Amino acid sequence: SQQGEEDPQALSIQEGENATMNCSYKTSINNLQWYRQNSGRGLVHLILIRSNEREKHSGRLRVTLDTSKKSSSLLITASRAADTASYFCATDSRSGNTPLVFGKGTRLSVIA
Amino acid sequence: EPEVTQTPSHQVTQMGQEVILRCVPISNHLYFYWYRQILGQKVEFLVSFYNNEISEKSEIFDDQFSVERPDGSNFTLKIRSTKLEDSAMYFCASSTFGTGDNYGYTFGSGTRLTVV
Repeated sequence: SQQGEEDPQALSIQEGENATMNCSYKTSINNLQWYRQNSGRGLVHLILIRSNEREKHSGRLRVTLDTSKKSSSLLITASRAADTASYFCATDSRSGNTPLVFGKGTRLSVIA
Repeated sequence: EPEVTQTPSHQVTQMGQEVILRCVPISNHLYFYWYRQILGQKVEFLVSFYNNEISEKSEIFDDQFSVERPDGSNFTLKIRSTKLEDSAMYFCASSTFGTGDNYGYTFGSGTRLTVV
């Protein structure tokens, strides 16, 4: 089955630096989504990129998608301490009602 | 902004007891889901629900689990006889097959289930 797998598993950076997280998956997708989760809390949808898109921006977030390599990256620019959280990619194949498949996530720590 | 609401936020139950986790999806969404996340692990799909019936379920969703949409607004997950390994955060989500930026899922803030 398809899976989103993020790397690195953990990332620690200084405030103001950029953070890049990567995601790889196995099968064809309709779209790929990135979610954020603060420790012990709910999942917050950040951004969705469709299979026919290559790049998308939302505020300080930039997502790329390379369907030939089955990979995506999430870039957070000018990071802040409040960006500290786990970030998950999730793939959506939408063949019928196929559910989202999540990766294991990247734990980002932004040090003030 | 519309939200998916889950109650309770935290539930502690004795092993072997039945629990019901409740969710109110976004009103114009048609697809409903339950996911779970064991502490420190990935978010796993349990079940999807559409048109008043289960449309897909994972291996985790065995006979101990059931879902119901008892009225026009609530969506519940029942665990018939809880086990220690059922301890996890349970997320409800709803979605719509919209176009443009309306397409996507909305997750609730989760119910943390602790089985003791």
